[in-house]
Amino acid sequence: AQSVTQPDIHITVSEGASLELRCNYSYGATPYLFWYVQSPGQGLQLLLKYFSGDTLVQGIKGFEAEFKRSQSSFNLRKPSVHWSDAAEYFCAVGGIKAAGNKLTFGGGTRVLVKP
Amino acid sequence: KAGVTQTPRYLIKTRGQQVTLSCSPISGHRSVSWYQQTPGQGLQFLFEYFSETQRNKGNFPGRFSGRQFSNSRSEMNVSTLELGDSALYLCASSLEITGELFFGEGSRLTVL
Repeated sequence: AQSVTQPDIHITVSEGASLELRCNYSYGATPYLFWYVQSPGQGLQLLLKYFSGDTLVQGIKGFEAEFKRSQSSFNLRKPSVHWSDAAEYFCAVGGIKAAGNKLTFGGGTRVLVKP
Repeated sequence: KAGVTQTPRYLIKTRGQQVTLSCSPISGHRSVSWYQQTPGQGLQFLFEYFSETQRNKGNFPGRFSGRQFSNSRSEMNVSTLELGDSALYLCASSLEITGELFFGEGSRLTVL
């Protein structure tokens, strides 16, 4: 069965500092990987996705993520955090096309930004 | 282009009642998925519909059901509500089988 682990429940970072959110997945085949962000009271917004090819993917809002197959990881990074980046971030894994659009989400990491 | 629209946004029910939630996907999207989000269990997949057929189903009891109409709009129903059904129910639509889901703002259900 597929699973996603986000080891950090909360992260506090100062505005302007760099941010890295960890994500480890378990999946028996080549996964599709995603990062979503959720602001309070809102739905989820897709930040970036990895299907294949270049293991470093760029997303919206200045985020990037790197797929490392050997470590089963897909960590999210941002060089300089803005106060508006305070939100909850979810890593998700999906399967091959035959599996449809079912995603398995990690537990989420809540990011707090200090002024 | 309008996003995914969910109605109602908030509702309060009592135990034993039933509830129907509605989701209008992005125009042209034929896949609609439903997720339940709670503080304790996180985001859990309920089911997915594609062209009016249920394509995937999560591990929820039969009290949770859904359907999709010919215009791709979807509804989910929860019967005999329990306190533990209190949650944010998120609907997501997709253009094809890519996993790139576009989420609505959710329907927050409180069961008293």
